[in-house]
Amino acid sequence: LAKTTQPISMDSYEGQEVNITCSHNNIATNDYITWYQQFPSQGPRFIIQGYKTKVTNEVASLFIPADRKSSTLSLPRVSLSDTAVYYCLVGDANNAGNMLTFGGGTRLMVKP
Amino acid sequence: DTAVSQTPKYLVTQMGNDKSIKCEQNLGHDTMYWYKQDSKKFLKIMFSYNNKELIINETVPNRFSPKSPDKAHLNLHINSLELGDSAVYFCASSQDNGGNSYEQYFGPGTRLTVT
Repeated sequence: LAKTTQPISMDSYEGQEVNITCSHNNIATNDYITWYQQFPSQGPRFIIQGYKTKVTNEVASLFIPADRKSSTLSLPRVSLSDTAVYYCLVGDANNAGNMLTFGGGTRLMVKP
Repeated sequence: DTAVSQTPKYLVTQMGNDKSIKCEQNLGHDTMYWYKQDSKKFLKIMFSYNNKELIINETVPNRFSPKSPDKAHLNLHINSLELGDSAVYFCASSQDNGGNSYEQYFGPGTRLTVT
């Protein structure tokens, strides 16, 4: 499984756009990039998934450059409720059972 | 409606005891999982199971065993509990659509404390 590296923590203020970058230099051809969000005392929640270029949903955007060695999760106009840990995962399509490997995640603190 | 539920939410027990954590999903998913999140917040996969196969993370002690009475349930049995088993355990489920989707739905977690 490709290893991911992301900042341990980030601070932001309400209303700002937050970009969290994840490095995955050893990403394989069949790997997808997935981001999860975890609030304190809750299980992780799927945010977004992509393979290349850009993916957008109602919560976030995911930017993936052509070499796919990194990806950036973009959260538009964050609010206090976006304070959470964000995990970047890279998964092999042939990985039976979808055995996710979570790294340390990025702790985002949104301040008023 | 709760998608993935776990019981109990909190479990306090003594070393050496045997305990079980229950998990149920009402999403109609065909694959279920157990994860362990330790005090440092690292989340580690323990098991992946569907009606075809059980995949075990090789680092998981054999004191841990998943039991699935049916497609909607995957319970976690732990024998001879140790202090190091104290953690939050999460159950999750997903629909196996060939491996490209990692959209898993997680339960609220069970905080296990071994004294």
